[in-house]
Amino acid sequence: SQTIHQWPATLVQPVGSPLSLECTVEGTSNPNLYWYRQAAGRGLQLLFYSVGIGQISSEVPQNLSASRPQDRQFILSSKKLLLSDSGFYLCAWTWTENSGFGSGTRLTVV
Amino acid sequence: QKEVEQNSGPLSVPEGAIASLNCTYSDRGSQSFFWYRQYSGKSPELIMSIYSNGDKEDGRFTAQLNKASQYVSLLIRDSQPSDSATYLCAVGGYSSASKIIFGSGTRLSIRP
Repeated sequence: SQTIHQWPATLVQPVGSPLSLECTVEGTSNPNLYWYRQAAGRGLQLLFYSVGIGQISSEVPQNLSASRPQDRQFILSSKKLLLSDSGFYLCAWTWTENSGFGSGTRLTVV
Repeated sequence: QKEVEQNSGPLSVPEGAIASLNCTYSDRGSQSFFWYRQYSGKSPELIMSIYSNGDKEDGRFTAQLNKASQYVSLLIRDSQPSDSATYLCAVGGYSSASKIIFGSGTRLSIRP
């Protein structure tokens, strides 16, 4: 069975500091990988998705970036965080009819 | 224009009744459709996926897809208090390399 690991679970970072969130998937090869952000009480905003190593599509222009250095590894980064970057960040994978989410990272920028 | 639309609710349903959740989408080329359940403060969990027109049943859940009318629905039979959550509809494109877009979710409340 497939599992997805996402860390850290919570993070408090000062404005202007860098960010690195990571997720890894086990039990499947060549999954599609996604980063979403969810503001409190709101829906899921797609930030990035990837269909393969090194292939990243950006959906929202902002100070975030994503990378996929390995087939089952997806990283979300920022060089300088803004207050507006606070939110619940979710990594997800899909392949055909299967799908799953990581447990999420609650980021607070102070 | 939103690509995936859901009524935000809250939808209140008595325990034991059928809850009906609806979702419409704008891209006629969409081929994959997912329903997720999300409890407050938690990550979404997949309930079921559907690819073909018609109904797909899994336990108390039935997904219904009508590509001609561009809508997908989720029926929950014998609703339980534990079904109280936000239900997210997600739509994917014409190939496995397409992105998955989510609706904003419908908040469902099952009243005893």
